[in-house]
Amino acid sequence: AQSVTQLDSHVSVSEGTPVLLRCNYSSSYSPSLFWYVQHPNKGLQLLLKYTSAATLVKGINGFEAEFKKSETSFHLTKPSAHMSDAAEYFCVVTPRARAGSYQLTFGKGTKLSVIP
Amino acid sequence: DSGVTQTPKHLITATGQRVTLRCSPRSGDLSVYWYQQSLDQGLQFLIQYYNGEERAKGNILERFSAQQFPDLHSELNLSSLELGDSALYFCASSVGGALPQGYTFGSGTRLTVV
Repeated sequence: AQSVTQLDSHVSVSEGTPVLLRCNYSSSYSPSLFWYVQHPNKGLQLLLKYTSAATLVKGINGFEAEFKKSETSFHLTKPSAHMSDAAEYFCVVTPRARAGSYQLTFGKGTKLSVIP
Repeated sequence: DSGVTQTPKHLITATGQRVTLRCSPRSGDLSVYWYQQSLDQGLQFLIQYYNGEERAKGNILERFSAQQFPDLHSELNLSSLELGDSALYFCASSVGGALPQGYTFGSGTRLTVV
C-alpha cells in the first residue's frame, strides 16, 4: 500500500522569500514521486519527478525537491517565491516497476499563497 | 496545451441523468486514466485503460463506466447521477511502459449535478 501526507494544507509566504512544501510518503515498493501544480480553474501540471536517479530533482519554474529515503520525505522547495507560484501543489507517489499500471496516489494538496 | 483534450469543459445536469465525458490522449500515449477531484475526497483514481483494455480499477462506482476506443480516445459514462457526483473529472495519459514518467493531464471537465 502507498500513501502520501502533505503536512500543511495551506502555506503563505511573502514574494521573494523561500518556499517549503512538505511531503512524507509511505510505499511498499520503491516509489516514484512527483509534484504537480494546479492553478485555479486549470488542470494539473507536472513540476518534477523522482524515479531513482539523482536524489535532488530539479523541476520547472525554479522548483526542486529532495528524496530522502531515511526520512521518507520528498519536500518541495524554491529559493524565491513569485506571485505566479500561488496555486495548489500535490505530492504524488506511485510504485515503480509495475509495468503497465501506474495509479497515482495523491496527497490532499497544499495551497500556496504569495503575499506581495 | 498539454496535448490531452477533454470535452466538454463544463457540464450541468440534473440528478438521475446520465452524461458522457470524453478524453483524447496525447499523441502516442496508449494509457488513459480517469481521476475525480472533489472537495471532500481530493483526487482519486477511477480507472485506467491501456491500448483498449481495462488495466486497473480504483474507487469507481458501479454507476460509472468507461471504455477506450480503437483510436485510443476514452469515454467516462456517469449514470443515475447524484448531487455528490459533482466534481472535476480529469483524464490523464501516458505512454505506458516499464517506468512511470509522469502523466499528462487534461484540463478537466467540471460536472455540476443539480
